[in-house]
Amino acid sequence: GAVVSQHPSRVICKSGTSVKIECRSLDFQATTMFWYRQFPKQSLMLMATSNEGSKATYEQGVEKDKFLINHASLTLSTLTVTSAHPEDSSFYICSAREQDRDGYTFGSGTRLTVV
Amino acid sequence: QKEVEQDPGPLSVPEGAIVSLNCTYSNSAFQYFMWYRQYSRKGPELLMYTYSSGNKEDGRFTAQVDKSSKYISLFIRDSQPSDSATYLCAMSYNAGNMLTFGGGTRLMVKP
Repeated sequence: GAVVSQHPSRVICKSGTSVKIECRSLDFQATTMFWYRQFPKQSLMLMATSNEGSKATYEQGVEKDKFLINHASLTLSTLTVTSAHPEDSSFYICSAREQDRDGYTFGSGTRLTVV
Repeated sequence: QKEVEQDPGPLSVPEGAIVSLNCTYSNSAFQYFMWYRQYSRKGPELLMYTYSSGNKEDGRFTAQVDKSSKYISLFIRDSQPSDSATYLCAMSYNAGNMLTFGGGTRLMVKP
């Protein structure tokens, strides 16, 4: 089945530093990947849609200069949280859909803690 | 009003019980409906995927979609402690579109 690998699973960083999260589709090509953010006991909130070879589409209220998304290949999308602050601490999850396959496959998520 | 409403729970049931989870939605343009299971600190896992109205069964799980009422359900038969998780409904306009999630229902199945 379709597998999406997300790394790292946990990261702790100092305030002001940047963190990169990777999302890979392991056995299929994904022209589109989605990045979500999830706060404790809340649902997933779509941050942006990552499109291979073009700029990401950000949801309203999401700072594109703070959350940099790069989708350089059909199997890799990255989310970089720049100049991270404690309020950026959250669970970040990516997802992708294999063409002609039902539903979306999610990565295992990245728990970011900014201290 | 949120586009997709889901009772957050928690819902606590004894092992072996039949569990009913539900979502209502407001946008009649949704065509694809999904249920995801999410364990703590893990990514969501697709359980059921349905298109338009009707029922779909997979093992102990049955998904129902009633587009006329804008209401979807997930039934779990013979619930097990390992079913304890948060269940998220999600829907989209077409197969390749972004998903709109419900808030999730936390289920606890007690042995």
